[in-house]
Amino acid sequence: QVQLVESGGGVVQPGRSLRLSCEASGFTFSSHSMHWVRQAPGKGLEWVALILYDGGNKYYADSVKGRFTISRDNSKNTLYLQMNSLRAEDTAVYYCARDLGYTYGHPFDVWGQGTMVTVSS
Amino acid sequence: DIQMTQSPSSLSASVGDRVTITCRASQYISTYLNWYQQKPGKAPKLLISAASTLQSGVPSRFSGSGSGTDFSLTISSLQPEDFATYYCQQSYSTPYTFGQGTKLEIK
Repeated sequence: QVQLVESGGGVVQPGRSLRLSCEASGFTFSSHSMHWVRQAPGKGLEWVALILYDGGNKYYADSVKGRFTISRDNSKNTLYLQMNSLRAEDTAVYYCARDLGYTYGHPFDVWGQGTMVTVSS
Repeated sequence: DIQMTQSPSSLSASVGDRVTITCRASQYISTYLNWYQQKPGKAPKLLISAASTLQSGVPSRFSGSGSGTDFSLTISSLQPEDFATYYCQQSYSTPYTFGQGTKLEIK
C-alpha cells in the first residue's frame, strides 16, 4: 500500500542540527513532488518546504529559509529534511506529504504519521 | 504570502446537523483550494481538492464550493466520525499556506 514513514525526530538543543527522513513505498516516488509540513503542539499546520519530483527545484517557508534544506534520493525512495540552527519555535511534529502531481499546484494526498522534534536545552 | 482565514475557529454541532465552514484567501487563488480533516494524534487527511473535487473514499455528505477568494466546506448531515479539525489550504503559490483550522465539536 501507499505509505510514507518518517524518522529522525528527537530532542535537540537550540543551535544544533537534526536530519529527518521519510521513506516512501507503494508508489513511484520519482513521479511526485514532496513536501514537509509541521505542526507545533496544539497549533495548526504550517507548510515547511517543497521539492519537485526530480529534485531540481526547492521552495521554503520564510521561517526556515537558510536553516533547513529539503532533498531527496529517488534511488532510495527517500525524502530528507536537514535542519540546522534549530530554535525552540521549530518544536513540532514534522510530516512528510506526497504531492498529488509532479510540479506545482496540487494538494497533498498522502501523509506520513509524523515525527516529533523538540528543541530544548 | 497568501493568507487563508477560516471561520468559525470552532463550531459546536449535533449529529445530523448541516454545517458549513468558510475559508477566505487574501488574494485570488482560482480553485487551488484544498480541504483536510485532522483527528487528534493523526495526520491530516485530504477530503477535497480543487475547491470541489471529492477524494476517493470520502463520503458524499462532504462537499466544497467556491472560486477566486471565497470558499466553503459543507457537511450535509454530521456523523460521529466527522468531529475533527478542518483546514483549508491554498496550492496556488508557495508558500502553500493553511487556514488556522476549524475545530468541530459535539454539542
